Amino acid sequence: AQTVTQSQPEMSVQEAETVTLSCTYDTSENNYYLFWYKQPPSRQMILVIRQEAYKQQNATENRFSVNFQKAAKSFSLKISDSQLGDTAMYFCAFPFTDKLIFGTGTRLQVFP
Amino acid sequence: SQTIHQWPATLVQPVGSPLSLECTVEGTSNPNLYWYRQAAGRGLQLLFYSVGIGQISSEVPQNLSASRPQDRQFILSSKKLLLSDSGFYLCAWSVLVGGDYGYTFGSGTRLTVV
Repeated sequence: AQTVTQSQPEMSVQEAETVTLSCTYDTSENNYYLFWYKQPPSRQMILVIRQEAYKQQNATENRFSVNFQKAAKSFSLKISDSQLGDTAMYFCAFPFTDKLIFGTGTRLQVFP
Repeated sequence: SQTIHQWPATLVQPVGSPLSLECTVEGTSNPNLYWYRQAAGRGLQLLFYSVGIGQISSEVPQNLSASRPQDRQFILSSKKLLLSDSGFYLCAWSVLVGGDYGYTFGSGTRLTVV
């Protein structure tokens, strides 16, 4: 079965600091994508970053980067220089046979 | 450009009443379409997905049904709502172009069954 696990229900970080959100997954596929989505209080789902499994280089989008460890099936999200607007739920997601499977989410609170 | 429209934004319905939530996409053809539900403070649960007109796959047995009468229209329905149907419903679409997956979500419908 394809599963996505986020073991940190809640995290907090002070503004301008760095925080890392964890995600592990299980799959028998070799080529796939992994996603991190942000859901602010508006509840709109916003794509933060995407990683292609066949690319060894970790994806980076401005202050957001991932640490992708394919052998360990780990896909963590690092947020640098945290901002108050980063306060949101963060979901790790994995597409499997046309379906996007989500983790249970991590609620991130950024404090001033 | 590719956009997705979902309505209504909020809905309060009495127990036992029918439900119809609609989702339409623009700017793409033959997308995969999805309905997700999110309970308060919880993750997203996939309810239905469709790979084409009239093709619906159900992920979770429940009081809801889905239909895809047109290529870019996806409807979530219920004949009689239950209290447990309350939640936040998200429509999404995906398309694989040149090996690149793209998923886009609607703005959601907050359903409260009273």
